Amino acid sequence: DSGVTQTPKHLITATGQRVTLRCSPRSGDLSVYWYQQSLDQGLQFLIQYYNGEERAKGNILERFSAQQFPDLHSELNLSSLELGDSALYFCASSSNIAKNIQYFGAGTRLSVL
Amino acid sequence: GDSVTQMEGPVTLSEEAFLTINCTYTATGYPSLFWYVQYPGEGLQLLLKATKADDKGSNKGFEATYRKETTSFHLEKGSVQVSDSAVYFCALMDTGRRALTFGSGTRLQVQP
Repeated sequence: DSGVTQTPKHLITATGQRVTLRCSPRSGDLSVYWYQQSLDQGLQFLIQYYNGEERAKGNILERFSAQQFPDLHSELNLSSLELGDSALYFCASSSNIAKNIQYFGAGTRLSVL
Repeated sequence: GDSVTQMEGPVTLSEEAFLTINCTYTATGYPSLFWYVQYPGEGLQLLLKATKADDKGSNKGFEATYRKETTSFHLEKGSVQVSDSAVYFCALMDTGRRALTFGSGTRLQVQP
């Protein structure tokens, strides 16, 4: 168990809808990262938050947004969903002490029908 | 930009065989290098890492050496077990941005 919790494990929705994925980092970790794993794009970095502030952006679509709350949990919001958004979404967290080690959650599998 | 290239899978081996999964990278500066493993239905687990040239990362019998001259970080294990069957990802983290750049993953299947 990595200590990173993601909910829900599975999400099935329709095109055009909006969903929210939730991540609770390991206790004390200030950094949260979101990644997308899809068959055609592989594992891609989406966005990083550090202590509530956006720190880095990767290949995140404008339809996607994220935030990190004062209790350090994070949410990834996906809107106007398309079939191609079907993927596994991972959250990872890291501490200030070992900044280059990221611990991954089990992921949320999103299916857009 | 940064990139990681891994050998195509799947790699199928018999138990106790020697494993090599090739990984090369392109990056500016001096990235840290990682191998992550993903078991079926689970998230990624850090297998080993190396943060500078000539460092050797090792864990659970797996090893990889950071070779700056060949920009490589090949994963090796002397004797694989059925329980090693998983997908292995090579990744780098550059010195500025803390995000990981992953290779495409290599599926390893070990047969008894």
